[in-house]
Amino acid sequence: GESVGLHLPTLSVQEGDNSIINCAYSNSASDYFIWYKQESGKGPQFIIDIRSNMDKRQGQRVTVLLNKTVKHLSLQIAATQPGDSAVYFCAEIVQGAQKLVFGQGTRLTINP
Amino acid sequence: DTAVSQTPKYLVTQMGNDKSIKCEQNLGHDTMYWYKQDSKKFLKIMFSYNNKELIINETVPNRFSPKSPDKAHLNLHINSLELGDSAVYFCASSPQLAGVGGELFFGEGSRLTVL
Repeated sequence: GESVGLHLPTLSVQEGDNSIINCAYSNSASDYFIWYKQESGKGPQFIIDIRSNMDKRQGQRVTVLLNKTVKHLSLQIAATQPGDSAVYFCAEIVQGAQKLVFGQGTRLTINP
Repeated sequence: DTAVSQTPKYLVTQMGNDKSIKCEQNLGHDTMYWYKQDSKKFLKIMFSYNNKELIINETVPNRFSPKSPDKAHLNLHINSLELGDSAVYFCASSPQLAGVGGELFFGEGSRLTVL
């Protein structure tokens, strides 16, 4: 399953499938990007980050891809599990701005 | 041991009242933040403090006044509450200013409902 852009808030995938959550960022001066996961009733939790001098970074079951040419960031989650159900946010830090700016978020639902 | 803790978790109050939300972090971080999350889940920064010094005030109304008695605490006081203040308020901390060092660690949030 795949979501596009900041205005599509919901993505449903089957348990075990891979999911891709996309994010378009606006500021070409952004040099640090973070994906956060927010479960219901909780605060955002760090998943993975990437700096602008990289185009790919892998974690446990997650991969972040950065395409600076088109200002696009994606989060790939492999073999989704029920515990992956949450709202996922991309966030960016503009160099020198000293603040983390969040994107709209995508709600990921895992179907059994 | 909770890293970033906020109190209260829930707050229901009448329009016009004054209320406070407290935040404490035990991570030894220098920087703390307040974010507001609206009903559409959009997270927007309100304030940041670094070593008790105000760094960012993101055009928040004067009714909102943050206070940082020490670098482990950042409280948020809101005067004359309005219906539009209803939201979930998140406190966060980071080792240094955002972008300089590390990710932000968030508290569990404080849901404010103004009636």
